[in-house]
Amino acid sequence: GAVVSQHPSRVICKSGTSVKIECRSLDFQATTMFWYRQFPKQSLMLMATSNEGSKATYEQGVEKDKFLINHASLTLSTLTVTSAHPEDSSFYICSARARNRAQETQYFGPGTRLLVL
Amino acid sequence: AQSVSQHNHHVILSEAASLELGCNYSYGGTVNLFWYVQYPGQHLQLLLKYFSGDPLVKGIKGFEAEFIKSKFSFNLRKPSVQWSDTAEYFCAVTATSGTYKYIFGTGTRLKVLA
Repeated sequence: GAVVSQHPSRVICKSGTSVKIECRSLDFQATTMFWYRQFPKQSLMLMATSNEGSKATYEQGVEKDKFLINHASLTLSTLTVTSAHPEDSSFYICSARARNRAQETQYFGPGTRLLVL
Repeated sequence: AQSVSQHNHHVILSEAASLELGCNYSYGGTVNLFWYVQYPGQHLQLLLKYFSGDPLVKGIKGFEAEFIKSKFSFNLRKPSVQWSDTAEYFCAVTATSGTYKYIFGTGTRLKVLA
């Protein structure tokens, strides 16, 4: 149990376009979802925390108009990278906390590799 | 500032060697501690976690970790590694209340030679 999927797994886009990444909890309801960014050979950096039905809380230094997060249901959160530029190329990972499970534990998706040309 | 340090960035071992990966944290207040593993091409998986109680915790695949509060450490150990343990290992810490946001270490890339 506690499976999180992401789609797409890889995406290549042109500079200036927008890209949407989906994060789904497949077999549980996610009260909270998190979005991370991982640069090569570096750690996961938390970008934002989103609770179902409310606005996301962004970490310091993360542009909320650049990285739009929507958490419309208990099983789906989306991250839209707007007007993407090459410096946005990275590995984006989502995680979810499950309702009725230990709130301290997060379940991670497989990640989405974004390459902006 | 809250932070997690993993001092070993790359570790290369032969099969059957013993493993110890260091993790130190800087965090005000009580913490929950985690070790996650990321196998090549796969997502992060939980190896083990410490919330309270016995500071020596056992996880999956023969891994264990010891929480030493006085040293702010949570080192990961395995007595005898296998080739299949080749992966990247991340230490993480959260507060014991509130949003439970994770702070991750920079990761340790382990390569086990057959």
